[in-house]
Parts: sequence; C-alpha cells; structure tokens
Amino acid sequence: RKEVEQDPGPFNVPEGATVAFNCTYSNSASQSFFWYRQDCRKEPKLLMSVYSSGNEDGRFTAQLNRASQYISLLIRDSKLSDSATYLCVVNNAGYSTLTFGKGTMLLVSP
Amino acid sequence: DARVTQTPRHKVTEMGQEVTMRCQPILGHNTVFWYRQTMMQGLELLAYFRNRAPLDDSGMPKDRFSAEMPDATLATLKIQPSEPRDSAVYFCASGDYRGGKQFFGPGTRLTVL
Repeated sequence: RKEVEQDPGPFNVPEGATVAFNCTYSNSASQSFFWYRQDCRKEPKLLMSVYSSGNEDGRFTAQLNRASQYISLLIRDSKLSDSATYLCVVNNAGYSTLTFGKGTMLLVSP
Repeated sequence: DARVTQTPRHKVTEMGQEVTMRCQPILGHNTVFWYRQTMMQGLELLAYFRNRAPLDDSGMPKDRFSAEMPDATLATLKIQPSEPRDSAVYFCASGDYRGGKQFFGPGTRLTVL
C-alpha cells in the first residue's frame, strides 16, 4: 500500500464551483498533515496545515479523520488561479521528514 | 521575504559528466532536505540534514550521489557520473527545528543526455 494515496485527476470544474479532494495515508502514527500546492513547473508551496478539528482558510477547508486515516480539502467558489496540483502531505512520526502524495490536478475553466 | 535559493535553475549535461547542485536554505532553518521529482515517482526524499549533520540519505543511490552541507548557508548535491535516468527536477527545502512545514526552493531542472 502506498504511504499517501491521492486520485491524480484531473478534476475539471467551472469557475465558481465547489470541489473536494481526498487523500488516505498508511502510517497511523503520523502527527502532522498538510496540503501543498504546486503550479506547473514550479516548486511545491504550503497551502495549509490540517488539524484534527478541521480548519478553514478563506475558501479552503481541510478536514482530518484519524480513525479512517483520511484527509480532505474543499475549495469553494473556484477561481481560475486555483488551477494547480494539490499535494497531500503527511509527516513521518518521530522524524522531521514528510511523505508527499503524487498530487491531484485541478483545472478551473471560465 | 525569506526564501530558499537553488542554482543552477537548469542544467543540460551529457552522460558521465559530474553535476553539482547548490542550495541556500532560509536563514535560521536548521533542517535541509533534497528531493527529486519525476512524473512517474512524484516527490522522493533523497537526503536530509539537521544542524549540518546528515541524518538520512537512504533515498539516494550511494554509488553516484553525494550530499553535503559544508556550512549553514550551503547544501550541495552531487551526481558523479550522471546517467539519463537522473533527469528530473531536484528540489531543496528547509524547515525549522519543529519539523513539519518545509519551504521549497525553485528547483534545478536536470537533463542528462
């Protein structure tokens, strides 16, 4: 089983739509969770951390379900500029290292 | 706005040549990571350092890859000899003592012919 699994997409949505991405992880001892965003031919950039109680940052909402080892990202009112690959990221318990999923591609069209 | 810098941004070389990539982490970050990204494998951790000491380089092909951190402001990744299968984007990232969040440099896009 892959350590962090994501649907590669692409997810094609119109501007203004709501879209959700999911991710599962295999290491039950993981403590920290993140969503990173990567634009084409650019470096990954931290989008947001994911907390057990769920957290929101503007149009973005992240949820964590530890029992199911499942993380989600919801984007409301999609913008053209949201087009990117979204990487689900999990820390390796006891270490400073992170394991990255291969990403889910989002394409927002006019 | 502090950021990680990497040089060169692009490198095209021939098989068998030595390649050296450099990274300047964010000032104050004590953990530095080297990753390789390909379409097939995604982001793979090659090696990482804390306080300049190598902690794990199990992701690196030892026979041809080496990573060093000669001082707190410079990390290097060297490939000798390079092979076509090394073609990828190599990212450096840095983080602070708490672990977790990592900040990436712009990457070195390597093509080995």
